[in-house]
Amino acid sequence: AQSVTQLGSHVSVSEGALVLLRCNYSSSVPPYLFWYVQYPNQGLQLLLKYTSAATLVKGINGFEAEFKKSETSFHLTKPSAHMSDAAEYFCAVRESNTGNQFYFGTGTSLTVIP
Amino acid sequence: EAQVTQNPRYLITVTGKKLTVTCSQNMNHEYMSWYRQDPGLGLRQIYYSMNVEVTDKGDVPEGYKVSRKEKRNFPLILESPSPNQTSLYFCASSFRVVSGPGANVLTFGAGSRLTVL
Repeated sequence: AQSVTQLGSHVSVSEGALVLLRCNYSSSVPPYLFWYVQYPNQGLQLLLKYTSAATLVKGINGFEAEFKKSETSFHLTKPSAHMSDAAEYFCAVRESNTGNQFYFGTGTSLTVIP
Repeated sequence: EAQVTQNPRYLITVTGKKLTVTCSQNMNHEYMSWYRQDPGLGLRQIYYSMNVEVTDKGDVPEGYKVSRKEKRNFPLILESPSPNQTSLYFCASSFRVVSGPGANVLTFGAGSRLTVL
């Protein structure tokens, strides 16, 4: 089974500062990779996805993520944090060979300080 | 509007009283799944279904049942709920195909918060 590791369950950044949320996966076969965001009292929404095309993926709200096979990583970044970015972020993996299951990380709660 | 609808959104029940959380999607998705979200544990998959009458266990299936008699519906059944099933539950769906712009993307419901006393 896959495992997804998100380093840092809580991250705080100042408004306007760089956002970096880390995600590492365990698969030896490059899977499909996703970042989802969960705003308070809501379901999860897709931020961006990697499906073996370009390694740098751009998503909504200015977020992007880079797939690095050698590091088995898919870190999420945003150059300048906005107050509205405060939310819970989940990294997820779907196996490319079977595609039957999604595996989620434990989530990172992002706080943006004014 | 394309969506996944879960009901109820909030439920407080007692140990042993059977309950069903319904999930319906209007996107003609083949794949549907249930997750529970607990603090510090992220989302864990309970059951998933690749199509009508095809279901399989996820990582935490104990104490839960599912059925997929119609493509649009995927109810989660707790035959005898226990306090350790107190959690936030999400239903999600996607197309089964693994390529193309809409492939692999899960659409989530708004969640069902269940408390078992």
